[in-house]
Amino acid sequence: AQTVTQSQPEMSVQEAETVTLSCTYDTSESDYYLFWYKQPPSRQMILVIRQEAYKQQNATENRFSVNFQKAAKSFSLKISDSQLGDAAMYFCAYRRSKENSGGSNYKLTFGKGTLLTVNP
Amino acid sequence: DTEVTQTPKHLVMGMTNKKSLKCEQHMGHRAMYWYKQKAKKPPELMFVYSYEKLSINESVPSRFSPECPNSSLLNLHLHALQPEDSALYLCASSQEVTSNQPQHFGDGTRLSIL
Repeated sequence: AQTVTQSQPEMSVQEAETVTLSCTYDTSESDYYLFWYKQPPSRQMILVIRQEAYKQQNATENRFSVNFQKAAKSFSLKISDSQLGDAAMYFCAYRRSKENSGGSNYKLTFGKGTLLTVNP
Repeated sequence: DTEVTQTPKHLVMGMTNKKSLKCEQHMGHRAMYWYKQKAKKPPELMFVYSYEKLSINESVPSRFSPECPNSSLLNLHLHALQPEDSALYLCASSQEVTSNQPQHFGDGTRLSIL
């Protein structure tokens, strides 16, 4: 079974600084998807960034980027120029590809989350 | 603005009450999901609907009863809940269950059982 580990229960960063949230996962599959979701106090789970395992290039979305190390099974999230609105719980998630799962890739496996505080 | 809309935002009910949670999406997605989330924990999958049919039930107690009246709407009927059922209930949707596209979540309903 796949597992996702977020080793940092809490992190803090100064406004305008850069912070990196770590995520490691365990899988025997070669094709899969990785996600970072953000959940602010408003509660909605917002997709921040998505990485396809067969793509070597790291995904980037504005101030958010990932460092995807497939061999090390590591998927860290870097937030640059941190803003107060970035304060939230961040969840790393794994999803099998439909090709590997025989069509049963509905399940997201989440890490336990990292609570990010942004200090003004 | 969320593309998945959940109502109500908050719900307080007694253990003998019957209530329903509602979820709506207009993105043309054919897969819809219910999750339960306890404080400071990741969401836990409860049900998956695919093309309005129940596809997955993750061994959820029968006091939770899902319903998908049409492709845009997903309900969760609640009856005889227990205090441990107090949680945030999240709805999500995706293009299809077998799609590699991500799930989109709603804001959730905060449920408190007295």
